[in-house]
Amino acid sequence: ETGVTQTPRHLVMGMTNKKSLKCEQHLGHNAMYWYKQSAKKPLELMFVYNFKEQTENNSVPSRFSPECPNSSHLFLHLHTLQPEDSALYLCASSQVPGLNYGYTFGSGTRLTVV
Amino acid sequence: AQSVTQLDSQVPVFEEAPVELRCNYSSSVSVYLFWYVQYPNQGLQLLLKYLSGSTLVKGINGFEAEFNKSQTSFHLRKPSVHISDTAEYFCAVTPFFGNEKLTFGTGTRLTIIP
Repeated sequence: ETGVTQTPRHLVMGMTNKKSLKCEQHLGHNAMYWYKQSAKKPLELMFVYNFKEQTENNSVPSRFSPECPNSSHLFLHLHTLQPEDSALYLCASSQVPGLNYGYTFGSGTRLTVV
Repeated sequence: AQSVTQLDSQVPVFEEAPVELRCNYSSSVSVYLFWYVQYPNQGLQLLLKYLSGSTLVKGINGFEAEFNKSQTSFHLRKPSVHISDTAEYFCAVTPFFGNEKLTFGTGTRLTIIP
């Protein structure tokens, strides 16, 4: 148990489906992040939330919609995805300011779009 | 801005042999440095970090890393590897003051040969 829990662990969805990924942290952190990890590509930072406010959106397509209702929960809503969106989606949290403890990551959601 | 270079995308090593995974960084300001490990189908786990003080830092699972400011390097070492060390290893940096984000390298896949 890393303190950051992601559900579901695996998700298979059709291109017309709507689904959501959930991330929950029990560490009292105030910043949360979504990363996309595709095979043979670097980690891609998607969204950053500080104190529930979105502070970064790295040109992510609108078919990915994040939501951060409070500092402990982060969602990624998915709709009309493409097969190239298949990847491991990682959630992380940290304490800011002062990133000297780095991020704590969840185990990820393995998403397959068919 | 910061950048991280992990020149070796794959490193095969025989079991019980020593290993060094290389990490070089570029930054105009002082940084904190991290190594993360990712086992198959899991999230990233913090292996060790350099914040200040002794340039040789020890982490979990017998790994250590040495910070070399003049060479802007933070190489990861282990004197004797085990099959269970098979994983992907990521180097990351964040500035002492600033954007509160981790910048990751592209990762090195360590494969232990029995």
